[in-house]
Amino acid sequence: DTGVSQDPRHKITKRGQNVTFRCDPISEHNRLYWYRQTLGQGPEFLTYFQNEAQLEKSRLLSDRFSAERPKGSFSTLEIQRTEQGDSAMYLCASSLTTYEQYFGPGTRLTVT
Amino acid sequence: GQQLNQSPQSMFIQEGEDVSMNCTSSSIFNTWLWYKQDPGEGPVLLIALYKAGELTSNGRLTAQFGITRKDSFLNISASIPSDVGIYFCAGQDGTYKYIFGTGTRLKVLA
Repeated sequence: DTGVSQDPRHKITKRGQNVTFRCDPISEHNRLYWYRQTLGQGPEFLTYFQNEAQLEKSRLLSDRFSAERPKGSFSTLEIQRTEQGDSAMYLCASSLTTYEQYFGPGTRLTVT
Repeated sequence: GQQLNQSPQSMFIQEGEDVSMNCTSSSIFNTWLWYKQDPGEGPVLLIALYKAGELTSNGRLTAQFGITRKDSFLNISASIPSDVGIYFCAGQDGTYKYIFGTGTRLKVLA
């Protein structure tokens, strides 16, 4: 049983560019979550999918952010017109129930 | 965003010592999770707690769900160098969303 995978692990981009991250959840997990973690802080919730439906978006997720999970399997998180404040670790987690969430290794984004 | 208070923020201990840390909230939670995170990696789930007063162990780790449902505790017995890392608590209020703590940074001196 493979865990949650995320790609890429690291991304360096210039301010104003668009970036897209991918998350592949544990195969039987129908729930998928995106979190953002800045240095020295715990993860903060961004958005939640149950199957392909996006059920909640945090206020942290500005209009420049969009997430999809088109077939209820993998998910993508896109950030348009990146800003330096977007620099963070973007974490994906998946779960079978609403309780235990399992995280991937994260994508470290650096906006220069 | 909202974060739970974890104490202590950081600690240095000698190998072999026991470690205690806690997490407090102003809100009631139905589920508590404890995670460990190494630098540059995602959090790894250590223990899940589902009921007030519950005490659950995972090897040298023991965690408790506080009776008030506003706090949780994690103990590590006989610490070893690989226990180094950041420990996060996370509380859930009955929805799917977890609120994480600010983390306790543990350093073990051999």
